[in-house]
Amino acid sequence: EVQLLESGGGLVQPGGSLRLSCAASGFTFSSYAMNWVRQAPGKGLEWVSGTRDSTSNTHYADSVKGRFTISRDNSKNTLYLQMNSLRAEDTAVYYCAKVMANYYEALDYWGQGTLVTVSS
Amino acid sequence: QSVLTQPPSVSAAPGQKVTISCSGSSSNIGHSHVSWYQQLTGTAPKLLIYDNNKRPSGIPDRFSGSKSGTSATLGITGLQTGDEADYYCGTWDSSLSAVVFGGGTKLTVL
Repeated sequence: EVQLLESGGGLVQPGGSLRLSCAASGFTFSSYAMNWVRQAPGKGLEWVSGTRDSTSNTHYADSVKGRFTISRDNSKNTLYLQMNSLRAEDTAVYYCAKVMANYYEALDYWGQGTLVTVSS
Repeated sequence: QSVLTQPPSVSAAPGQKVTISCSGSSSNIGHSHVSWYQQLTGTAPKLLIYDNNKRPSGIPDRFSGSKSGTSATLGITGLQTGDEADYYCGTWDSSLSAVVFGGGTKLTVL
């Protein structure tokens, strides 16, 4: 059974940093692209970042480019999101999601999400 | 402002059929496959449709998808109260090099 478990969320002041983790199990983690998607309170889904099977191939939404860094440790089956220079508008539930094989735009498994609150 | 445009809400009676539209452009829907997601209140999104019209294992055939040009449509037949949720379309945008989503459509089963 595929499982994705996010952690690392919490309350952080504007300008601060946070690192999210997503522990994966139930599939060959190193073989799949992974994404981060966020959802601000009461709002829709916003894609944040994605990585192919290695961290050398990554993409970012314009809203986080230069501030967030996606990475993965295939030996630990874990996906990360390093978030720096956080802003109030980064407040959201952050989901990690597994990409379906051969369909980069299809996210077939999602974690339960971790809440990040940026506030003073 | 989402890259993909969906109606904010749709509604229909139990047992009826509803469609949800998703409009994009040549750099996204016109260039890539479309996925659809269902998000029940307080839960993570769930993949309903991928590759425009394919259903993952376990998704009932009451859910269907189609694509024509730069638009896509999700259809749901035999509506049930349990189908009340937010529905999102998504695809890859080659100009943005990003996954893009629609703004979401809230389905109410009256």
